Amino acid sequence: QQQVKQSPQSLIVQKGGISIINCAYENTAFDYFPWYQQFPGKGPALLIAIRPDVSEKKEGRFTISFNKSAKQFSLHIMDSQPGDSATYFCAASIEGTGNQFYFGTGTSLTVIP
Amino acid sequence: DTAVSQTPKYLVTQMGNDKSIKCEQNLGHDTMYWYKQDSKKFLKIMFSYNNKELIINETVPNRFSPKSPDKAHLNLHINSLELGDSAVYFCASSPRLHEQYFGPGTRLTVT
Repeated sequence: QQQVKQSPQSLIVQKGGISIINCAYENTAFDYFPWYQQFPGKGPALLIAIRPDVSEKKEGRFTISFNKSAKQFSLHIMDSQPGDSATYFCAASIEGTGNQFYFGTGTSLTVIP
Repeated sequence: DTAVSQTPKYLVTQMGNDKSIKCEQNLGHDTMYWYKQDSKKFLKIMFSYNNKELIINETVPNRFSPKSPDKAHLNLHINSLELGDSAVYFCASSPRLHEQYFGPGTRLTVT
């Protein structure tokens, strides 16, 4: 059972464009929603994270939008660059459960120069 | 200066063999994890240890056995390797709730 559903599976964006990756969850007990970025041959690295008490968090060109009522959250990459080409994972976790993360299935982003 | 390190980076072995993957973190974190990433890049948690105590043990064949000699190390031993065990295995550590730092991964290929 996939606790966090992620789409699209792959995404191709022109340089300078906006990349949008979506995730949805069912368990309303989730209280932390991070996004991880993974380059080929590397481990995932935390990119940005949000808690459900805010609707948006922005760090540089990366923004998380969070819709608690719809149980959805998304990652927006503004002014996408070729260096952003990577696999992106959303995740969710519940405090008090041993810090167990439930990851989405990943989105392979390719930014074309 | 590597925060979370794993050895080896690549491991090629035959079916039926027993192998171990080592993980060390120099961040002083209390919690460590093992994840498996399959060919479709799906990340799935296998185990979690907090101060050498097992706290998460997902549905994983008992051929997989984690061992934590101290809170800076979490090793993964795999017995009787099968073709389906081929994957990338990631170690991670966490200083507190909701933050995880991943190692570079170990690509295991079973032939």
